[in-house]
Amino acid sequence: EAQVTQNPRYLITVTGKKLTVTCSQNMNHEYMSWYRQDPGLGLRQIYYSMNVEVTDKGDVPEGYKVSRKEKRNFPLILESPSPNQTSLYFCASSLLGGQGEQYFGPGTRLTVT
Amino acid sequence: QQQVKQSPQSLIVQKGGISIINCAYENTAFDYFPWYQQFPGKGPALLIAIRPDVSEKKEGRFTISFNKSAKQFSLHIMDSQPGDSATYFCAAGGPIDMRFGAGTRLTVKP
Repeated sequence: EAQVTQNPRYLITVTGKKLTVTCSQNMNHEYMSWYRQDPGLGLRQIYYSMNVEVTDKGDVPEGYKVSRKEKRNFPLILESPSPNQTSLYFCASSLLGGQGEQYFGPGTRLTVT
Repeated sequence: QQQVKQSPQSLIVQKGGISIINCAYENTAFDYFPWYQQFPGKGPALLIAIRPDVSEKKEGRFTISFNKSAKQFSLHIMDSQPGDSATYFCAAGGPIDMRFGAGTRLTVKP
């Protein structure tokens, strides 16, 4: 089954404790991206990757890091989480980048206290 | 800056009615305009999409109307059903990335 998986699905952590949210896709897509969803703000892009070892900032990259060492994986790293990063996070992949269907993962709800 | 503006924020429609959600974009480099549907606890999923070479696309009860000169597009849901109750996002995509609207929470009352 074609899918995007994320782990963990739920995470509660404390300010400053480094964490990683994993994302994996099995569709051989070159394009992957991370979004955060906040009420009234919709989906805002954090980072995207056009291919292995190629990443770039989206609209809200501050406080986040990403890496793309393999085509299928695109982890999101919060080096020092803060309460304003409490949000619902989605990973997505696409065959055609921004010009094609984005396949979203199930989401990761992160709470930073 | 919000590159894609979506309205209304919320919408309540009676069963059988027509739901209309509107979006406007700014960047003329966008050339792919999808609508995504999101149910609680799930990721968004593509509902219907249009490219700017056509002014309308219909799939079942769902229709996108696209006005390139006005840089606006809208989603029409005919014969709205309670199962259509969800959050809808418009988006605009270009060669590099995709921008989403703020979302519309649709409630269809039985």
